[in-house]
Amino acid sequence: EAQVTQNPRYLITVTGKKLTVTCSQNMNHEYMSWYRQDPGLGLRQIYYSMNVEVTDKGDVPEGYKVSRKEKRNFPLILESPSPNQTSLYFCASSQVQGGNEQFFGPGTRLTVL
Amino acid sequence: SQQGEEDPQALSIQEGENATMNCSYKTSINNLQWYRQNSGRGLVHLILIRSNEREKHSGRLRVTLDTSKKSSSLLITASRAADTASYFCATVGGGYNKLIFGAGTRLAVHP
Repeated sequence: EAQVTQNPRYLITVTGKKLTVTCSQNMNHEYMSWYRQDPGLGLRQIYYSMNVEVTDKGDVPEGYKVSRKEKRNFPLILESPSPNQTSLYFCASSQVQGGNEQFFGPGTRLTVL
Repeated sequence: SQQGEEDPQALSIQEGENATMNCSYKTSINNLQWYRQNSGRGLVHLILIRSNEREKHSGRLRVTLDTSKKSSSLLITASRAADTASYFCATVGGGYNKLIFGAGTRLAVHP
C-alpha cells in the first residue's frame, strides 16, 4: 500500500530535550516536505526537499533541522524544543515536484512542556 | 505565508444539501488544489485544477477557478454525514515546488 508513515504519532517532551520525528514514504517520490498545523493558521511549511541531499527552508524553519540521506526518509529534528513548537506536524511527499498532488502522513502531535 | 483564504470558516448543513466553500488567493498560480482533513488526521487530496482550466468534476465534487478574480469554489453535492471534515485550498505558484495552504473551512453535515 502506497503510504507516508510518521513516528511517533504522539509525543510529550520537555523544553530543550532533542527529538526526532521520522517520516518515510514508499512511493519513490522525489519531493518531501514538513508542515506544522496550528489552529486558525492552516498548514505552514517548515522545510522541503527536492531530492536526496537537497533541502530548503519553508516559511517557518526556525528551530528545526532536516536531512535527506535516502530518498524514502525525511526526518525532522528539533535540537532544543520550546513550548511554541507544540503543534501537529505532517510529513508529505509528491512525485517530482511539490506542485503536484501531495500525499500526507497521519500526523505527529507534539507537546513541549 | 498564507495565500488562500477560505470562506466561510465554518459551515453547517443537513444531509442531502449542497455545500459550497470558497477560496481566494493573492498572487498568480500554476494550479490550485483542494484537500480534505478528518479531525486530527492527515490531509487527503481531492482535486487539482490548473490555471488554464475553469471547471473540474470528480464524483460529487465540482471545482471552479476564476483566475481573473483569483478565486476558486468547491461544491459538494448531496452531502453526507461522512463529508464532515475540514477542507483546505492550496495554491502552487511559479516555482512549482510548494503548496501554500489557507486556514480551511470546517464543514459539519448533520444526519
